[in-house]
Amino acid sequence: KQEVTQIPAALSVPEGENLVLNCSFTDSAIYNLQWFRQDPGKGLTSLLLIQSSQREQTSGRLNASLDKSSGRSTLYIAASQPGDSATYLCAVRPDSGTYKYIFGTGTRLKVLA
Amino acid sequence: DTGVSQDPRHKITKRGQNVTFRCDPISEHNRLYWYRQTLGQGPEFLTYFQNEAQLEKSRLLSDRFSAERPKGSFSTLEIQRTEQGDSAMYLCASSLVAGGMYEQYFGPGTRLTVT
Repeated sequence: KQEVTQIPAALSVPEGENLVLNCSFTDSAIYNLQWFRQDPGKGLTSLLLIQSSQREQTSGRLNASLDKSSGRSTLYIAASQPGDSATYLCAVRPDSGTYKYIFGTGTRLKVLA
Repeated sequence: DTGVSQDPRHKITKRGQNVTFRCDPISEHNRLYWYRQTLGQGPEFLTYFQNEAQLEKSRLLSDRFSAERPKGSFSTLEIQRTEQGDSAMYLCASSLVAGGMYEQYFGPGTRLTVT
């Protein structure tokens, strides 16, 4: 059974820091992995999607990497800003004919001005 | 294209009542998903549709829950005889099967409170 873990559960950093959020999954047989951002009480905003054949994806200050064989993905945020404060969720789609996502519990990020 | 929309955004109901939520996916998206999220947890999969066909249901979707997508466009999720444990955020997402990407786009959610 696929399980997704995100560490740390919460993180507080001063503005301007570069930071790394971690996501690990127990079964390496995945089709893709997607990173999301969720503001309190809101829905999810898609940040980056990485296919299983890809190693990384970049969008602006965000870079996501994928090491499928070791069951890990990282989300790198450069030059963090207070507006980056949110919960960051990773989700994997198992490579078993299903289209559902299995989510981690998220990392709550607070960027201090 | 206005994104995925959900209605209502908030619903407060008494235990035992029935509630129905609506989701309008991004137009032309042929897959539609329902998830449930409780406080401090990641979303959990409930069910998904390809066009009007319901292709997969989670064990979380008890017989009090039913979902439909009658014309392959909007979808409804009904909960009968609500219980306090049903209190959660209900999220809808949609995706387009094209180029093998299957990126899921989420709506703002419907927050259900059962009193």
